[in-house]
Amino acid sequence: DIQMTQSPSTLSASVGDRVTITCRASQSVNRWLAWYQQKPGKAPKLLIYMASSLEIGVPSRFSGSGSGTDFTLTINSLQPDDFATYYCQQYNSYARTFGQGTKVEIK
Amino acid sequence: EVQLVESGGGLVKPGGSLRLSCVASGITVSSAWLSWVRQAPGKGLEWVGHIKSKTDDGATDYAAPVKGRFSISRDDSKNTVYLQMSSLTSEDTAFYYCSTTSGSFDSWGQGTLVSVSS
Repeated sequence: DIQMTQSPSTLSASVGDRVTITCRASQSVNRWLAWYQQKPGKAPKLLIYMASSLEIGVPSRFSGSGSGTDFTLTINSLQPDDFATYYCQQYNSYARTFGQGTKVEIK
Repeated sequence: EVQLVESGGGLVKPGGSLRLSCVASGITVSSAWLSWVRQAPGKGLEWVGHIKSKTDDGATDYAAPVKGRFSISRDDSKNTVYLQMSSLTSEDTAFYYCSTTSGSFDSWGQGTLVSVSS
């Protein structure tokens, strides 16, 4: 299976900060990469698919980039609603795999 | 709007079986790929498996930890997808989510908790 590694595992930031989360795949996944946001007690929510395409309804302060093995999720001007855990996920292989998650905490 | 509602979770003894249901509205399950994703309490997300649409032969794929023990099926008349789980162990304790998938997991249900304990 393709292994997905996110960094950092935890990130402390303040409202208004620019935040970057990275995701690295153990082999190329082309651009078959998605990002999710999950809040405690809730189901994950799709933010970005195909590495950089914003899901309908997701604020434009979220953006994704990358291809092959290295990807980033950027949140411009962090808002109070953005404190959550973020996951990347590859779908290049039929065996879908997720990163371990990055928790964005209030500084 | 797509809505997915899971049910069937609960407490089960090791070695036992359980069937989860996912009732869909806003989509026709026979025309969609549906996945199950689980999350152990306090842990990350893990893909369990999926069932393809009828036009994509309706085949199923499973993650290695559940292959041979879990089975995904569909009842088109009820617009429902099922996850049949057997030979359960404590490692299967998790919230189980149903999701539509186009590769990414697009719409999610609220999840149902499966606890495996003696």
